Amino acid sequence: QVQLVESGGGVVQPGRSLRLSCAASGFTFSNYGMHWVRQAPGKGLEWVAVIWYDGGNKYYADSVKGRFTISRDNSKNTLYLQMNSLKAEDTAVYYCAREGGSRGYSAYLLYWGQGTLVTVSS
Amino acid sequence: DIQMTQSPSTLSASVGDRVTITCRASQSISSWLAWYQQKPGKAPKLLIYKASSLESGVPSRFSGSGSGTEFTLTISSLQPDDFATYYCQQYNSYPFTFGGGTKVEIK
Repeated sequence: QVQLVESGGGVVQPGRSLRLSCAASGFTFSNYGMHWVRQAPGKGLEWVAVIWYDGGNKYYADSVKGRFTISRDNSKNTLYLQMNSLKAEDTAVYYCAREGGSRGYSAYLLYWGQGTLVTVSS
Repeated sequence: DIQMTQSPSTLSASVGDRVTITCRASQSISSWLAWYQQKPGKAPKLLIYKASSLESGVPSRFSGSGSGTEFTLTISSLQPDDFATYYCQQYNSYPFTFGGGTKVEIK
């Protein structure tokens, strides 16, 4: 069965960096686009970034553009989110999610991880 | 960027009620809309994709309709397990965007 397991969250000071990982299993990772979505405490969902199945294209929310970098290692079945210059408003649970269709055919988010909490605080 | 506006933000209903949630896009997204259900402390769960396609395993009391800029999620007969927060999301163009959410509460 499809499993997505995030890790790397924690408490970090403003201005510092953190890298999240998402380990994927139960499907052919290299065939699917992958996303990061976050949710601030008590707030709604915010889409963060996407990387296409082959890593050829990446897109970001305006709120993180220039600070966050999404990447993937298809040989390790792992998705990453490098977060630099962190701000208090980046505090959230970060979810990785897999698209519903292979090779970009259906970009809705079918499978989600359990999330990892990032707290940006001094 | 495409803005997604959900209404209402909160909805109080009873078991057995018919419930409708509306989602409006700031520009046409064709039928590239998904609906998710989220319960406290849990990841979102896909209910509907391509505006009206029911995801496998989702009860048939859930249905979606609409195209262009106006969409609805309907629960035909609300069940105890349906009390949750619902989000729409457009995947027509990047950056993808979510609606603000609709919390369905027990009346």
